[in-house]
This record gives sequence, structure tokens and C-alpha cells, in this order.
Amino acid sequence: QSALTQPASVSGSPGQSITISCTGSSSDVGAYKFVFWYQQHPGKAPKLMIYDVNNRPSGVPDRFSGSKSGNTASLTISGLQAEDEAEYYCSSYTSTPSLVLFGGGTKLTVL
Amino acid sequence: QVQLQESGPGLVKPSQTLSLTCSVSGDSISDGSYYWNWIRQPAGKGLEWIGRIYPTGGTNYNASLESRVTMSVDTSKNQFSLKLSSVTAADTAMYYCARDISGWYGRFDAWGQGTLVTVSS
Repeated sequence: QSALTQPASVSGSPGQSITISCTGSSSDVGAYKFVFWYQQHPGKAPKLMIYDVNNRPSGVPDRFSGSKSGNTASLTISGLQAEDEAEYYCSSYTSTPSLVLFGGGTKLTVL
Repeated sequence: QVQLQESGPGLVKPSQTLSLTCSVSGDSISDGSYYWNWIRQPAGKGLEWIGRIYPTGGTNYNASLESRVTMSVDTSKNQFSLKLSSVTAADTAMYYCARDISGWYGRFDAWGQGTLVTVSS
């Protein structure tokens, strides 16, 4: 199973919006609602930001939103803040065989 | 609030077996409907799912590592463990344990802080 494809980096200025894409296949992202996004600051463990394509866990700001179209999922962060600067990883369930795939990660820089 | 803590040797020699334990507090491994997972991250690289174990001992492993991975659970100690055999330098990474609150679909809502394992002679 190949990893999901994400852009290596994205950037934006405070207050702007950015979108990170995550491209998989009809066996993973395109097949299930089980798409997740994680935020990882340097030296820290990943933190769940979005689950089941477009749901936010309690405590995650509503500036973070998720969507999916076909085999590509997206994470949008609106009203960028300095604290959003981090690495972002998407992941998806796949049933052939049953396992979890991660994207390669996207480095978000807040200019 | 659930907390996870990895422990184990930080240095393993090539061809030997890497052994790590994840201690869980704030949640009982045996009470929930959760799967407990291991995930690793080489320095400067992305995340790789290693595998999962259910409280009853059922497991699923990443196909790329399956021949070398063994996971086990000790509900009396509220711990689960990872063994990775025949390690090479490519296995050098930060190793995380994580709880999958969705069952087995990959919704990792709680993570340990990670433990760095270096494979070197």
C-alpha cells in the first residue's frame, strides 16, 4: 500500500486561509468516510484535528475544517494564526488489507 | 483523561529485537472497545502505522512489517507491547503508542509522547 500524497509545504499570512490536499485511491480515501487529519508541532506527538472527513474533536477551533471529493481529501484552515504553524498529516482507513495509511505530511508556514 | 507512556531501550543493535511497552492510565484497556496501536516516525519523515491490538489479543499488522512484528497485551498491568525483530538502521525512529477510539478505523485520539529508538552497533 502506498502512502497518501500531500504537498510538501504550504504557506499563508496571518488571517488568510489555506488548504492542504491529500490524494489517495478508490481503495482508501475514495472508499470510506474514515479520513483523519493530525497536527504535529516539532518535538511533539501528533494531535487529532479532524475525524471522519469533516468532524472536529472537542477543543479544536472551528477554523479547521475538512472535506472530501472523490479520492482527494482536504484540510482548510481559515483565519491563520501563528500557532497553526506545524506539520499536518492526513490518514485514511483501507480494508485491503485492513490497515491505516498516512500521508507524507505537509509543512505549514505562517508568514 | 487517558495518558499513554512508551518505555524501552533507546539503543538496539542491528539484527536484534526491539521491545517497547506502552503503559496506559486513565482508561482500562480491558474495559473499552478500542484498539491500541503502534506508530513510528523516522527523524524528519512521516508517520508509519505499525499495527494494532485488541484487549482480547487480536492483532493486525502493516503488511510491510508483518513478518517481523509481534504485539501483545497485559490487561492486568494495563499495558501493551511491541516486538520488532531483525532490526536494521531503517528501523531507527520515534515510536508512538496511540489509542484508536473508532475501533479500528484509525481515529487516534490519544498518543504517548514517543520514545526514540536508535539501531546501531
